[in-house]
Amino acid sequence: DVKVTQSSRYLVKRTGEKVFLECVQDMDHENMFWYRQDPGLGLRLIYFSYDVKMKEKGDIPEGYSVSREKKERFSLILESASTNQTSMYLCASTTPLAYLPFFGEGSRLTVL
Amino acid sequence: GQSLEQPSEVTAVEGAIVQINCTYQTSGFYGLSWYQQHDGGAPTFLSYNALDGLEETGRFSSFLSRSDSYGYLLLQELQMKDSASYFCALSRSYQKVTFGTGTKLQVIP
Repeated sequence: DVKVTQSSRYLVKRTGEKVFLECVQDMDHENMFWYRQDPGLGLRLIYFSYDVKMKEKGDIPEGYSVSREKKERFSLILESASTNQTSMYLCASTTPLAYLPFFGEGSRLTVL
Repeated sequence: GQSLEQPSEVTAVEGAIVQINCTYQTSGFYGLSWYQQHDGGAPTFLSYNALDGLEETGRFSSFLSRSDSYGYLLLQELQMKDSASYFCALSRSYQKVTFGTGTKLQVIP
């Protein structure tokens, strides 16, 4: 079974703090993704990576950065958290060929 | 941009059968997948159709018709624990996975 693990399920941070969300997958998938999910807006793509050290902006990259130093690990960074970044953050990796996404458990971030 | 349309809410009775539709306007994709998401939880994979036709996995089945540009998820013998959101997803390439708007299913006694 595909296993995608996110480091933190629930986080509470203050405005201006740096936030680091980590995601690890154990299936040797090349493609990894970070989404945020908000009520009524569905899943929106923040960044994705198709190889180590490679990254591409998704639909809403502003205020975020990412890091992929190892194939299995994809990190999302909020350099200076803001209240409008309060959301559920979902990491996913996709299978080769069919590009079928598998999600981590999610990280619910609250910025006060 | 590409989008997948689903009904926003569906209500069904425990023990019944419910069908959740997903319509799309795209071509040249690898397959259509379905996910379940309980409130506060993460999406979990349910079913995938690479080819037209029906795929059955226990109480859940999924169907795809490329010629009609739609698919559906069929849930049989509904249980209270099936109350959740369900969304479809189209996989078009390594960076192009498009998600449906999601359907909130409420199962009532």
